[in-house]
Amino acid sequence: NAGVMQNPRHLVRRRGQEARLRCSPMKGHSHVYWYRQLPEEGLKFMVYLQKENIIDESGMPKERFSAEFPKEGPSILRIQQVVRGDSAAYFCASSPVLNAEAFFGQGTRLTVV
Amino acid sequence: QQQVKQSPQSLIVQKGGISIINCAYENTAFDYFPWYQQFPGKGPALLIAIRPDVSEKKEGRFTISFNKSAKQFSLHIMDSQPGDSATYFCAATLTSNTGKLIFGQGTTLQVKP
Repeated sequence: NAGVMQNPRHLVRRRGQEARLRCSPMKGHSHVYWYRQLPEEGLKFMVYLQKENIIDESGMPKERFSAEFPKEGPSILRIQQVVRGDSAAYFCASSPVLNAEAFFGQGTRLTVV
Repeated sequence: QQQVKQSPQSLIVQKGGISIINCAYENTAFDYFPWYQQFPGKGPALLIAIRPDVSEKKEGRFTISFNKSAKQFSLHIMDSQPGDSATYFCAATLTSNTGKLIFGQGTTLQVKP
């Protein structure tokens, strides 16, 4: 059973471009969480999704950020018009049911130049 | 109310020594307190977790001590090994909510041989 797969592992974008981060949860997991880790800081919750539904997006910036978890395919975190301050590691975690242990992917490291 | 404060920021311990990392929380409704271990370039991995109905939990060389009245909990790593060198994060969550984790700022542990 493969773990949580995130791609790409590294992503470089110029200011103003769009970044798309993908997360394939573990098999049988229908709950997905996205976290952001800024340099030298802990992880900050961004959004919690179940299949086709955004359950809690209280940690998402109000503009430029969006997330989805379609019925088929990976969860996508989309950042439009990236700025230097978006440079961070973005981690996805999945769990089979609510409040079960969440397993983390290896993250996508976004660098905005 | 949602913060988890972690200390120290960094820690150097000799091989065989005891590593102690402390966390304090504010929200008394939190009811699940996990610790995560993160190696460079990897995602966080669950190490050990505790619920507030017990004061201590031990798994191998890792022990969590929990003080509900003080709203503090700590991780003790006995007989620390160079392979334990990593960043450690405490976290807290309210399991009746969405399961989102509130992380501490992290502690970088270096165990010297």
